[in-house]
Amino acid sequence: ILNVEQSPQSLHVQEGDSTNFTCSFPSSNFYALHWYRWETAKSPEALFVMTLNGDEKKKGRISATLNTKEGYSYLYIKGSQPEDSATYLCAPPQAAGNKLTFGGGTRVLVKP
Amino acid sequence: DTGVSQDPRHKITKRGQNVTFRCDPISEHNRLYWYRQTLGQGPEFLTYFQNEAQLEKSRLLSDRFSAERPKGSFSTLEIQRTEQGDSAMYLCASSPGGGAGGYTFGSGTRLTVV
Repeated sequence: ILNVEQSPQSLHVQEGDSTNFTCSFPSSNFYALHWYRWETAKSPEALFVMTLNGDEKKKGRISATLNTKEGYSYLYIKGSQPEDSATYLCAPPQAAGNKLTFGGGTRVLVKP
Repeated sequence: DTGVSQDPRHKITKRGQNVTFRCDPISEHNRLYWYRQTLGQGPEFLTYFQNEAQLEKSRLLSDRFSAERPKGSFSTLEIQRTEQGDSAMYLCASSPGGGAGGYTFGSGTRLTVV
């Protein structure tokens, strides 16, 4: 069973501020890392699938970096907006198409 | 295709009753996954299918839980003799066989056992 940790558990951010949070995962036998955004009453939405050490991916104001050698990924939100309020989940699959092991999530609340 | 559909969205049941949930994945996706999420936790893996074959079932899952995907399309998850600890959000997701992209999740079924 993979040990996947996310910190912090929750984050309050003022609208317009930038923020970031962490996902830690085992660096051995790394295959990929998924990031999802889960808004209340909606389904989890895939943000990024990252595979290469040093990868940096961007989607609008959200970006993520990956360090497979030390086993961590950062997700950044630039200029936070209320619609960014959600739980952000990271999950490494153990192999292609295999089950995801989720971290506990970082719950982000952006205050206007 | 409208994505992954789950039915029902909410289910309230009395302890000891059986419940069944349905998941309709994206039609081109041959992998289907079930997860359970409780308050404050990340989703926890339950089981997954490739086509109609159930490839893995979590050791945490008791014998009261069973899942099927009879024709490799929709799937059902049944919980027999429900307990209060079964109260959770049950999520279904699907993915193409290669798994290179992110998984597509349904909106989940919220189960409350009273």
